Amino acid sequence: AQSVAQPEDQVNVAEGNPLTVKCTYSVSGNPYLFWYVQYPNRGLQFLLKYITGDNLVKGSYGFEAEFNKSQTSFHLKKPSALVSDSALYFCAVRDKDFGNEKLTFGTGTRLTIIP
Amino acid sequence: NAGVMQNPRHLVRRRGQEARLRCSPMKGHSHVYWYRQLPEEGLKFMVYLQKENIIDESGMPKERFSAEFPKEGPSILRIQQVVRGDSAAYFCASSPDRYEQYFGPGTRLTVT
Repeated sequence: AQSVAQPEDQVNVAEGNPLTVKCTYSVSGNPYLFWYVQYPNRGLQFLLKYITGDNLVKGSYGFEAEFNKSQTSFHLKKPSALVSDSALYFCAVRDKDFGNEKLTFGTGTRLTIIP
Repeated sequence: NAGVMQNPRHLVRRRGQEARLRCSPMKGHSHVYWYRQLPEEGLKFMVYLQKENIIDESGMPKERFSAEFPKEGPSILRIQQVVRGDSAAYFCASSPDRYEQYFGPGTRLTVT
């Protein structure tokens, strides 16, 4: 079984400050990990993924995430928040076992950047 | 390269009617996934298809729901005899390689 936890429903950050959106996961084997962002009444936009290799992954719009196997975490970060970063963020995991294709999503974290 | 297309964007059905949701994957993508999002919740996997084949339907309700991805044309998610609990946003995603999934804008189904 695979699962994702996003412990914070809401995160508020002042514009220009660093931001972190937390994600922990559980899989039987090794994980593929993803971050998506959703704007109101829109689909999900892909931000970044961890498949293998370097634990620090860089993605779109200046976001990055660090894979930490010992803590089973994949927190999303950005050094300096923009008001336009305000949106709903989803972490997702997939087990690397062949044939298990489905992404399991967290419940989402609403990020609000305060001007 | 156009993104994943879904239509209609909004669909209103009365209880007992059929809902038919369409998804055209990105060009060159042969893997299609359907997810459902209830209000204030994350996405829940429903079904994974490749051309003409259902690979994983472990998230599909056993009754009233079906999906197909024919050789020609879009993928279709069909819900027969809709009930109020089917009201949700339904998202389609496609992938070229089973890693990144690119999502469409979704179809918001309202059952009255």
